Amino acid sequence: AQSVSQHNHHVILSEAASLELGCNYSYGGTVNLFWYVQYPGQHLQLLLKYFSGDPLVKGIKGFEAEFIKSKFSFNLRKPSVQWSDTAEYFCAVSNNAGNMLTFGGGTRLMVKP
Amino acid sequence: GAGVSQSPSNKVTEKGKDVELRCDPISGHTALYWYRQSLGQGLEFLIYFQGNSAPDKSGLPSDRFSAERTGGSVSTLTIQRTQQEDSAVYLCASSPTGGNTEAFFGQGTRLTVV
Repeated sequence: AQSVSQHNHHVILSEAASLELGCNYSYGGTVNLFWYVQYPGQHLQLLLKYFSGDPLVKGIKGFEAEFIKSKFSFNLRKPSVQWSDTAEYFCAVSNNAGNMLTFGGGTRLMVKP
Repeated sequence: GAGVSQSPSNKVTEKGKDVELRCDPISGHTALYWYRQSLGQGLEFLIYFQGNSAPDKSGLPSDRFSAERTGGSVSTLTIQRTQQEDSAVYLCASSPTGGNTEAFFGQGTRLTVV
């Protein structure tokens, strides 16, 4: 069975600081990787995704993530965070068999203005 | 062109009562998921429907929980004899073909058991 681990449960940063949120998954086959974001009071929405090709994926709002197959990781990064990035971030994985989407436990990010 | 629609948006129920939560997925999406989000917890997988295949029920926490998907479209999550620990936000998502495509989430149903 596939599983996803997000090691940072709560992160507090000041505006303009750089962000990196860790995500590791366990699954031996071909995977699809996602980062979802949930802004306060809003529904979950896709931030970025990796299916194949360039392991460095760029998403909305200046976010990017790098797939490192050897490390089973898909860390999320942003060079300079803004107060509006305050949200909860979820990493997710699925396999190419079209099986279900498995989520990590989430990371709550608070950006201080 | 509406997104995933869930109803009701909020539900308060007494302990021991049964509740039904409804999910209308995006038209044409073959995959449908139910997740539970409790305060301070992540997204807990409950059940996954994919086309005409048997659903993956491995995440249902007890036999008080069940779900149906009629006609490959609307889904209903039923919780029997609700308990206070069932209080959570229940999220539904759909995707065009399953785990290899983006899932679109509804706003959720906030269930409070008193």
